[in-house]
Amino acid sequence: KQEVTQIPAALSVPEGENLVLNCSFTDSAIYNLQWFRQDPGKGLTSLLLIQSSQREQTSGRLNASLDKSSGRSTLYIAASQPGDSATYLCAVRPNFNKFYFGSGTKLNVKP
Amino acid sequence: DAGVIQSPRHEVTEMGQEVTLRCKPISGHDYLFWYRQTMMRGLELLIYFNNNVPIDDSGMPEDRFSAKMPNASFSTLKIQPSEPRDSAVYFCASSLGLAGSTDTQYFGPGTRLTVL
Repeated sequence: KQEVTQIPAALSVPEGENLVLNCSFTDSAIYNLQWFRQDPGKGLTSLLLIQSSQREQTSGRLNASLDKSSGRSTLYIAASQPGDSATYLCAVRPNFNKFYFGSGTKLNVKP
Repeated sequence: DAGVIQSPRHEVTEMGQEVTLRCKPISGHDYLFWYRQTMMRGLELLIYFNNNVPIDDSGMPEDRFSAKMPNASFSTLKIQPSEPRDSAVYFCASSLGLAGSTDTQYFGPGTRLTVL
């Protein structure tokens, strides 16, 4: 079974700082990896989807990278804003039928 | 589109009672997923459907859990009988497909279930 780990569990940074969230997985044979954002009391919102054949994806101030050989993905957030405060989860899809989520990193961006 | 709709948003019930959670996926999406989120176990995939047909229910914890999708616009997750350890937030999600960019899942707001 694929194990997905996210470190740190929580992160607090001042506004404007660039930051990196980490996601590691135990089995490098994956179909794709997805980063989500979850706001308190709400569902998940997809941020970026990286296919197995891709190395990175970018959307606005967000950049996600994938290194299958080392079992790692990073989510880079540039010029963080208080509105970025949320829990960020990564989800690994090892095959067509399975999805495994990390426990998330709770981000707090202080004004 | 209004997005994925779930009802009720909150449900409090007593142990032994039947609980039914409802989901309306985004129109045109062929895949529907049911997840459970708890502090201890995080987010877990319970079951997913393709064109109303259950494809993988290996995540369903016990026979007390059942899910149906009678048509493309409606699905239910039923727990009978409910137990306190079933207390969690249950999410429904839908996607266009499972390949390439269609794989993006759109989540509903969730149903917070409390079993006393």
